[in-house]
Amino acid sequence: ETGVTQSPTHLIKTRGQQVTLRCSSQSGHNTVSWYQQALGQGPQFIFQYYREEENGRGNFPPRFSGLQFPNYSSELNVNALELDDSALYLCASSATGDLGEQYFGPGTRLTVT
Amino acid sequence: EDQVTQSPEALRLQEGESSSLNCSYTVSGLRGLFWYRQDPGKGPEFLFTLYSAGEEKEKERLKATLTKKESFLHITAPKPEDSATYLCAVRGGFSSGSARQLTFGSGTQLTVLP
Repeated sequence: ETGVTQSPTHLIKTRGQQVTLRCSSQSGHNTVSWYQQALGQGPQFIFQYYREEENGRGNFPPRFSGLQFPNYSSELNVNALELDDSALYLCASSATGDLGEQYFGPGTRLTVT
Repeated sequence: EDQVTQSPEALRLQEGESSSLNCSYTVSGLRGLFWYRQDPGKGPEFLFTLYSAGEEKEKERLKATLTKKESFLHITAPKPEDSATYLCAVRGGFSSGSARQLTFGSGTQLTVLP
């Protein structure tokens, strides 16, 4: 059984640029959630995708957007990067969207300069 | 709005010195309380799910318990490899709009000294 994978591991971008982060869900899981984790804080929910549609969103602006593909992999896109976007971005997969455990990938460390 | 508060923020123990971590929560219609372990620079690793007051789960040196307002993670005779940040999260009900997300606390950073 393959766990959740994310790419890239690290990324450095300049303020104003755009970035795309990628996630492959665990085998058998059809739901993907994205979280942002600032240093010393717990993860904060960005949004969730189920069957290629967004079905839940946290308090993040529209410049944070996503996609889910038929194989349940997912992308997180962030436009017009700001310095405060520097964080660890975590992808979590689950068998259902509203019940049970979420299993996290290793994360992508994004640094905005 | 769901809220999770963890205490203490940091805890240093000697190897073998048992202790407990606290997670206090406010949520409308609890649909699960989750404990995760996170090592530096890595994603959270799932430990336990608790659904109702009085429930307990155990795994090796860890035991999680749940009441209507808080959860405890008891660590018995810890070893240096138990050093990590322990995160608590809740899933709320559909009426609160938080059924699809986990709301996390800031974590307790545990250091076990040999």
